[in-house]
Amino acid sequence: DAGVIQSPRHEVTEMGQEVTLRCKPISGHDYLFWYRQTMMRGLELLIYFNNNVPIDDSGMPEDRFSAKMPNASFSTLKIQPSEPRDSAVYFCASSLGNWFLGKDTGELFFGEGSRLTVL
Amino acid sequence: DAKTTQPPSMDCAEGRAANLPCNHSTISGNEYVYWYRQIHSQGPQYIIHGLKNNETNEMASLIITEDRKSSTLILPHATLRDTAVYYCIVGYDKVIFGPGTSLSVIP
Repeated sequence: DAGVIQSPRHEVTEMGQEVTLRCKPISGHDYLFWYRQTMMRGLELLIYFNNNVPIDDSGMPEDRFSAKMPNASFSTLKIQPSEPRDSAVYFCASSLGNWFLGKDTGELFFGEGSRLTVL
Repeated sequence: DAKTTQPPSMDCAEGRAANLPCNHSTISGNEYVYWYRQIHSQGPQYIIHGLKNNETNEMASLIITEDRKSSTLILPHATLRDTAVYYCIVGYDKVIFGPGTSLSVIP
């Protein structure tokens, strides 16, 4: 399996532009997570999906951020309009299940991340 | 989800065991303890997890105290490639990362 695939790996854009980050989870995984990492705030959970349905979006910073999962093999994280403070590495992760569903189903597999720079 | 406390940094000599402590005194009965690490700017990598019993896999051992209020991750023979930030996380659904412990393995 190719693992979790994210694109683009690097994105440089100007303030006010729309940014779309993409993620392809591991086939068969029912959970998908979006994280953001900055030096100041560390790794933050933004949102996670179960079977394509958003379960918890309490970490989404504001209305400029939106995430979708139209099918089991694809998710997007969109920022519109982007601001310099959105500059970060955005990670997508997927898991087979969750810990309470079974001992070995909750391991998260992370992608390589998308490094976003907003000028 | 319960919070965890880890030392911000640790050093370990190459070839020696690295023992990384984690305090989770507010853990509840159904919450697992799990460990991830992040090497440089890569995505975090799962290491190990446990509920009550000690666990061992090819990467590490996890020792959980009987009262479950603390745990220790053991890397038995640390190598330079083990230099990373190690995260101890407690929960049962969401994986929430704290600041972790920055482990430096020294030649």
